[in-house]
Parts: sequence; structure tokens; C-alpha cells
Amino acid sequence: EAGVVQSPRYKIIEKKQPVAFWCNPISGHNTLYWYLQNLGQGPELLIRYENEEAVDDSQLPKDRFSAERLKGVDSTLKIQPAELGDSAVYLCASSTGTGRGTGELFFGEGSRLTVL
Amino acid sequence: AQSVAQPEDQVNVAEGNPLTVKCTYSVSGNPYLFWYVQYPNRGLQFLLKYITGDNLVKGSYGFEAEFNKSQTSFHLKKPSALVSDSALYFCAVRDGGGNNRLAFGKGNQVVVIP
Repeated sequence: EAGVVQSPRYKIIEKKQPVAFWCNPISGHNTLYWYLQNLGQGPELLIRYENEEAVDDSQLPKDRFSAERLKGVDSTLKIQPAELGDSAVYLCASSTGTGRGTGELFFGEGSRLTVL
Repeated sequence: AQSVAQPEDQVNVAEGNPLTVKCTYSVSGNPYLFWYVQYPNRGLQFLLKYITGDNLVKGSYGFEAEFNKSQTSFHLKKPSALVSDSALYFCAVRDGGGNNRLAFGKGNQVVVIP
């Protein structure tokens, strides 16, 4: 079974430039998450989708961050414009969503962003 | 809101010795508890979870964890550590009656010394 696929793995950009990350979840997983992981810290939730609906986006900085999950499968996370403090690893995860919160998350390898 | 504390930054243990990684949690409802492991430049991998039932849960790679409700703890254990267990370990908690958000601790670096 293929895991969660993310691209690109690494991205270096100048500040104020836009950047986008793509995630393909495990087939059949209707719940998709984007997490932010700063160095030396645990992942922090940015947004959670149930199918194509964003059900928890309260921690997404909406002035510069946006996300979409068209057709309830793949998802894209965008930052525009990027700031120095956005340098981090952006993790995508998916789960089956059954049993309300009892299932484990499956993570991709992450997209490491460096803003210069 | 739910939260997790992992008090130690790094855990050093000799190969073959028992390994313990500590975790305490805070939730208002029933806790759903998870442990994940992260190897360098890789995503997090699920190790084990506690939802209900037996307080001692067994997971991947010989790891186990014990749920202690009175101490609000969920420590990860392995009877005999391997060098390959060297990694970053994250404890996480969901509030079973709340917002369904999974909160992670800051992680513990485990170093197994040959």
C-alpha cells in the first residue's frame, strides 16, 4: 500500500515569494491534515479536512496561508508571501476518520521549507 | 484544550538496557493516547495507541506503553533497547469528548549507546 506522498521534499525561496506544497493521502483516507513542525518541536495542526470540507482551520494563519482539497483527495497548502519565520517542515497526514479520533495518523515525509 | 508534556529533552540508554520515555497529558474528557517515532528526515510513524481497555498496550518494534489515569501518564517502554531505536519520540493526545484535535508533545530524542 502506498503511503502519504508529499512534494517537494525540499524548497528554498526568498522571503516574500510564494510557495506551494502538495499532498496525496493514502487511498480511501477521508481525513487529511496539514501540520507545521518547527525544529525541536512537535507537530502543530494547521488544518484538518474531512473529505473536501475544512473542519478545523482555526490555527491556519489565513492572512498568508491557504489550503484546498479538491474532490476530497489531494491537497495543496500555499504560503503567499513567505516570511523568514515560515522556515519549517510541513507535514501532511491522513487517516480513515472512522471511530471519531481513535484511528492513527499516517504521515508523509514532509516538505522542508527554507526562507532566505 | 488538550496538551502533552514530555519532560526530558534527551534520553540516553545503553544498548540492551530498558528504555523509558515519559509522557504526561491533560484533557477534559477521555484521553486517546498515541506514541509516534520519527527517524531523521522522515515522517512520523505510528507505534501504539491507548483508547480503552487494558492499561498496558503493545505496539510495533517491541515497544509498549502503560496508561495510568491517576497520574495522567502514558510512558513508553522497551525492555531491551537497540541502537536502531535511536530516534525522536512523540507522545500525543486527543480529547475523546472534545474537538478531535491531536496535540503532540515536543518530543524526546532517544540515543542508544552501543
